[in-house]
Amino acid sequence: DADVTQTPRNRITKTGKRIMLECSQTKGHDRMYWYRQDPGLGLRLIYYSFDVKDINKGEISDGYSVSRQAQAKFSLSLESAIPNQTALYFCATSDPRGGRTYNEQFFGPGTRLTVL
Amino acid sequence: EDQVTQSPEALRLQEGESSSLNCSYTVSGLRGLFWYRQDPGKGPEFLFTLYSAGEEKEKERLKATLTKKESFLHITAPKPEDSATYLCAGTGGSQGNLIFGKGTKLSVKP
Repeated sequence: DADVTQTPRNRITKTGKRIMLECSQTKGHDRMYWYRQDPGLGLRLIYYSFDVKDINKGEISDGYSVSRQAQAKFSLSLESAIPNQTALYFCATSDPRGGRTYNEQFFGPGTRLTVL
Repeated sequence: EDQVTQSPEALRLQEGESSSLNCSYTVSGLRGLFWYRQDPGKGPEFLFTLYSAGEEKEKERLKATLTKKESFLHITAPKPEDSATYLCAGTGGSQGNLIFGKGTKLSVKP
């Protein structure tokens, strides 16, 4: 079973619609992240959460919101989708351990979102 | 501004032809340098973490090294199944979030 799962895997929607992307993890990690990936631009951080009560904006948070429902669940919402939000979206988790505050992140399989 | 730059953008090798991928970084207070492999349409797969200059990590045909300004991913005698995009990321600064390079797309021909 996958440690980090994302639903849906593919979504096509229209401009102005509200969309929610969901992420669940069984790794027991406290930290969760949402990224988007665009050709030529690489991976960019949208939001991150270090625990259920801690939510932070990343590099490109405008037009997005998040909800951390539980340690294992982190959702990304597009309140009113626009075409330039068409991208691959990834959820990731990490776990500070061994005296290291920042360790590797583990990524989900991604959601391909198309906004028409 | 914190930045991670990877070169080349694309690399085509013949099977068995060893080479290196470069990742240069300007990340204030670098706390870790990460390498990932990404196959088309899939999430990045973690390969290595390097924390200090001089550190090296190996896994099968891959070896990652770190200096004070850059990291290298050496690929020895690559096989077609090594074809993928390789991503480098640094973490540092007050937030410690990952800053990704744009990747090197590696193609290995039989």
